[in-house]
Formats: sequence, structure tokens, C-alpha cells
Amino acid sequence: NAGVTQTPKFQVLKTGQSMTLQCAQDMNHEYMSWYRQDPGMGLRLIHYSVGAGITDQGEVPNGYNVSRSTTEDFPLRLLSAAPSQTSVYFCASSLRDQETQYFGPGTRLLVL
Amino acid sequence: SQQGEEDPQALSIQEGENATMNCSYKTSINNLQWYRQNSGRGLVHLILIRSNEREKHSGRLRVTLDTSKKSSSLLITASRAADTASYFCATDPKTSYDKVIFGPGTSLSVIP
Repeated sequence: NAGVTQTPKFQVLKTGQSMTLQCAQDMNHEYMSWYRQDPGMGLRLIHYSVGAGITDQGEVPNGYNVSRSTTEDFPLRLLSAAPSQTSVYFCASSLRDQETQYFGPGTRLLVL
Repeated sequence: SQQGEEDPQALSIQEGENATMNCSYKTSINNLQWYRQNSGRGLVHLILIRSNEREKHSGRLRVTLDTSKKSSSLLITASRAADTASYFCATDPKTSYDKVIFGPGTSLSVIP
């Protein structure tokens, strides 16, 4: 199993550009999440999904959009990038809610 | 507001010594998890302790949970240079509308 994969590993955007961060898992996990990690702040939940077709907002959802058309994929879209979205983004999955999460390697995003 | 906060923020020890990190939280939880993050990598799950458990062991790791004090500790015995990483606690609040919340982490340096 590849586990949780994320692409790209690194991306530079200009303010106002849009992009999609890809996340895929091959463990047949129902629960998937997107986090951002900023220095000294731990991980903050952006959006999550409890199964295909079901998504919900986390702590910091503004400026981000998600969809879950399949169990495997959970892309995160930045609609109009802002410098405040410069961060490291992690995708995670788990078999069920409240259980062990498996993390991807992260995407480092720089917005100029 | 931070549900989970690790203490200390940074810890430096000699190889072979024990390392203890603490996590305090504010609201009742279903479980508490500890994760490790090596520099530039995704988080790796270490151990999950449920609210009805007081202590769990995994190899050189020992986790305790005191729900009356709303605190947990992670003990790494006989530390190695490879244990150098950031360690995060993640709490799962009992309230249905709250999702898993990560603390800001403890940065552990083990000096060979």
C-alpha cells in the first residue's frame, strides 16, 4: 500500500491564482481531512469528509474548497490564493472518525 | 482556543536519558493521541489512549492519561538521536461538533 499520497510536494503561487492540492489514499478509509501547519500553531483542520459525497468545514475553512467524489480522493482547492495561505498542507485519513490518522508527506505552498 | 497544549515547547537531552512531554487539554475527551513529526515530514501516529485508560505502553514509549487533571504525558525511555522530532498530542473532544484538535507540539532534540 502507498498509504496517503499528496501532490505536488512544493508549489509557488502568485496572489489571486487558484490551484488544487491532490490527496489520495489506498487504505479504503472513510474519513479524510486536510490540515495546515504553521510555525508554533500545530495543525489546524481546514475541511474533512466522513465518506464519499460528504464534506464539512473544520476550524479554518475560508478560502478553501473540497469535494469527495470517491473514497480514495480528497482534493483541496484554493480559490484565489493569498499570502496568508502560505503554509504546509497535510492530508490525513482514518478508518473511522476519532481513530488513528495516517498522514501524507505534505505540500509546501508559498504564495507571493 | 487551544484544546491541547504540550509542555515544554522545546526539550534538549543527552542520548540515553528519558524524555517526558506533557499535554493539557480543556474539555472532556473520547481519546488522546500522540504523534511524531520528523523535520519536513508528515506526522506519524505513536499511540492512542482512550478516556477509560490510564496508561499504555509501546516499546520505549509510555503514555499516561489523567482525566481528572485533563492531562497526559509521553515518556520516551533511553532516548536515541533518531528520536529527535516534534511531538504532538491530539485530543478528540466528546462534543459532537468538535473534531480532533492538535496542540502546538514539543520539539525534542536528543544529543548524541
